[in-house]
Amino acid sequence: EVQLVESGGGLVQPGGSLRLSCAASGFTFSSYAMSWVRQAPGKGLEWVSATSGSGISTYYADSVKGRFTISRDNSKNTLFLQMNSLRAEDTAVYFCAKGRDSGSQPYDAFHIWGQGTMVSVSS
Amino acid sequence: DIQMTQSPSSVSASVGDRVTITCRASQGISRWLAWYQQKPGKAPNLLIYVASSLQSGVPSRFSGSGSGTDFTLTISSLQPEDFATYYCQQANSFPLTFGGGTKVEIK
Repeated sequence: EVQLVESGGGLVQPGGSLRLSCAASGFTFSSYAMSWVRQAPGKGLEWVSATSGSGISTYYADSVKGRFTISRDNSKNTLFLQMNSLRAEDTAVYFCAKGRDSGSQPYDAFHIWGQGTMVSVSS
Repeated sequence: DIQMTQSPSSVSASVGDRVTITCRASQGISRWLAWYQQKPGKAPNLLIYVASSLQSGVPSRFSGSGSGTDFTLTISSLQPEDFATYYCQQANSFPLTFGGGTKVEIK
């Protein structure tokens, strides 16, 4: 069974840091692009960051560029999101999501999602 | 950045109704559009990719159409389990962007 399980969320003060993890199973992890998508309480979906299967290519939303870093360890089938200089507006459920296609269009849709991990930024 | 505008933001409908949701991109995105369904407290679920391709396991009452800037998600006969929020997402270029969502409510 294809599965994604996020961890690492919690309560952090403004300006603090947090590292999210996403453990993947049931598929060839290194063959698929992966993304982080977040959802603030009562709000819509916001794409945060993506990385290619190899981890060489990375992409960020303007709202997190320079503060967040996406990475992956393909030997451990794990995706990470290092979040620094956190702000109140970063408060959200963070989902990791698997790209649908392992071929020529790795970013065309988010096929499998984790259950999400809550990040709260507050003093 | 490409802005995605969904309409309506909410719709009230009855079981058996045909429901249509539209999504407009601020610039052409060819057919690089996906649709998702999300129920409260749950992760989104992929319904449609590349504008009109039905994801495996998704009921055939869901269909997608469009290209360029204008897209449509249609539910041909609304079922009780379809009451949820629906999002479109463009995959043409980074940053990837979602529409604001359409909540389908029981009439």
